[in-house]
Amino acid sequence: GEDVEQSLFLSVREGDSSVINCTYTDSSSTYLYWYKQEPGAGLQLLTYIFSNMDMKQDQRLTVLLNKKDKHLSLRIADTQTGDSAIYFCAEWNAGNNRKLIWGLGTSLAVNP
Amino acid sequence: SAVISQKPSRDICQRGTSLTIQCQVDSQVTMMFWYRQQPGQSLTLIATANQGSEATYESGFVIDKFPISRPNLTFSTLTVSNMSPEDSSIYLCSVDRDRPTDGYTFGSGTRLTVV
Repeated sequence: GEDVEQSLFLSVREGDSSVINCTYTDSSSTYLYWYKQEPGAGLQLLTYIFSNMDMKQDQRLTVLLNKKDKHLSLRIADTQTGDSAIYFCAEWNAGNNRKLIWGLGTSLAVNP
Repeated sequence: SAVISQKPSRDICQRGTSLTIQCQVDSQVTMMFWYRQQPGQSLTLIATANQGSEATYESGFVIDKFPISRPNLTFSTLTVSNMSPEDSSIYLCSVDRDRPTDGYTFGSGTRLTVV
């Protein structure tokens, strides 16, 4: 079945770049999403990338997609303490009953 | 994007009782999803709720334990029945969007503690 994997923890210093990685198995995925969950809060869509794209940039966020290796990454430039959260990678394709397949989440800690 | 109001935001319940969680959406949506997020875990899909039909449950979840209602295109409820401490989790509702680029919108979650 489909599977999405992420490293569980990442710690960075404020001002550095953070890179959160994700691998997936479903080659028919059409959209890949990054969600952010702050403590005690719901999930917020950060960004997405369509499967025919290699890169997408949105302000401090850069998403890279390597379709051959089924590898997705989220880079956060100039990481701030407010970026401390859990980041979830999720994949979607229309054939999967419109369900998202979720990774376990990467907990990002930003140290001053 | 849609705005979802989820209630209650948290509750502490006695084992053996039931809790009904409500999600109200500010626009009509085709599909609503109910998730469970156990402490320190990812999201697990409980069921998909379409208006006018029975909810579709994922493996490991049954209607008797998690009955769902979807009376119209803007509202749904999830009941956690005959609760035990193992049901302590965050429960989240989510709605599909017409455009995949909009992603899925989530309610703020219900933090349930069963004692």
